[in-house]
Amino acid sequence: KAGVTQTPRYLIKTRGQQVTLSCSPISGHRSVSWYQQTPGQGLQFLFEYFSETQRNKGNFPGRFSGRQFSNSRSEMNVSTLELGDSALYLCASSQDSEAFFGQGTRLTVV
Amino acid sequence: GENVEQHPSTLSVQEGDSAVIKCTYSDSASNYFPWYKQELGKGPQLIIDIRSNVGEKKDQRIAVTLNKTAKHFSLHITETQPEDSAVYFCASAGTYKYIFGTGTRLKVLA
Repeated sequence: KAGVTQTPRYLIKTRGQQVTLSCSPISGHRSVSWYQQTPGQGLQFLFEYFSETQRNKGNFPGRFSGRQFSNSRSEMNVSTLELGDSALYLCASSQDSEAFFGQGTRLTVV
Repeated sequence: GENVEQHPSTLSVQEGDSAVIKCTYSDSASNYFPWYKQELGKGPQLIIDIRSNVGEKKDQRIAVTLNKTAKHFSLHITETQPEDSAVYFCASAGTYKYIFGTGTRLKVLA
């Protein structure tokens, strides 16, 4: 069974640009969550989707958005990038309580 | 607000010794507590978990204990090996999200 796949693995963007990250969950998993990981703030919850509906959202500005498609794949978008958005963005898929993470997308904003 | 405190932030042990990492959570409604291991350049890997109706769970060299009254849970690794060196995160499950501890960097010295 394939694990959680995140693309791309690495991204370098310029301040003010926007970026879209993709996550393919484990087959059969309908819940997808996104987390931002930084050395200073640790793992911070962004949002969670289940069957194309956002069920919970963390304390991030509106520049951070996401969506989920009917095949459970999910994307997150960050608009008007800031230097502080540089981080590892992690996606997790779950079927019950257990969540399994992908390798993450390393975003660097310059 | 909801938070999880994790101690220590760094831990060095000799190969073969035991390691203990402790977490305290604040949300009384939490009923699921996973532990993750994160190696350099990789996403967090679920290594063990415990639910609130259980006080202890063991899987080979790894065990987790939960004291729901005190809102404490701990990870115990026995007979540590160099490959156990990584960052370990505890988490408590909230409403459609996890709240993570700040991580413990474990170094197993050969």
